Amino acid sequence: GAGVSQTPSNKVTEKGKYVELRCDPISGHTALYWYRQSLGQGPEFLIYFQGTGAADDSGLPNDRFFAVRPEGSVSTLKIQRTERGDSAVYLCASSLTADSPLHFGNGTRLTVT
Amino acid sequence: SQQGEEDPQALSIQEGENATMNCSYKTSINNLQWYRQNSGRGLVHLILIRSNEREKHSGRLRVTLDTSKKSSSLLITASRAADTASYFCATGPETSGSRLTFGEGTQLTVNP
Repeated sequence: GAGVSQTPSNKVTEKGKYVELRCDPISGHTALYWYRQSLGQGPEFLIYFQGTGAADDSGLPNDRFFAVRPEGSVSTLKIQRTERGDSAVYLCASSLTADSPLHFGNGTRLTVT
Repeated sequence: SQQGEEDPQALSIQEGENATMNCSYKTSINNLQWYRQNSGRGLVHLILIRSNEREKHSGRLRVTLDTSKKSSSLLITASRAADTASYFCATGPETSGSRLTFGEGTQLTVNP
């Protein structure tokens, strides 16, 4: 079946602009995660959804970052007033249950100029 | 902050040799997982070992876990050029749900 799909694969935006990154998880997966990965680093946790609710948003760096998952499937990560330091690969992952291994998408490479 | 720390940061070996990567962590865990990432791609789950397990095998992969030393190792036997990738350990915390914390990874290069 289809894996985790992330769109767009690449996004270039100007400093100060608003961006939305989309994640389509594997059908039936109740848990959904957003991570951010900088070059040469491991993924850094941002937020975790169980169903429609954010079970853990402690990794969001500040209030410019927000994520939603209104119907318990597709999720959108929203970044307001982007800064050059937000440039990274944003990875989405889903899992069947909270204790199952994660299935990752290929990420969205965000570049803020 | 990083929970898992992989060692070495980079490893270069010849095809057919074994590759060993180590991971250390700081807090109590529920499980430890290893993932692989090819350049420009997402991470792929390799193996999960629970805190009450000491060793696990999957094909050419062998994972050990020593909770007293807060460390794990991943052994890839009879390596192939296609094993070239970055390998990350990730720890699942004991008490706070399923948030995984990743280390910074080991870059493995297998030369043909």
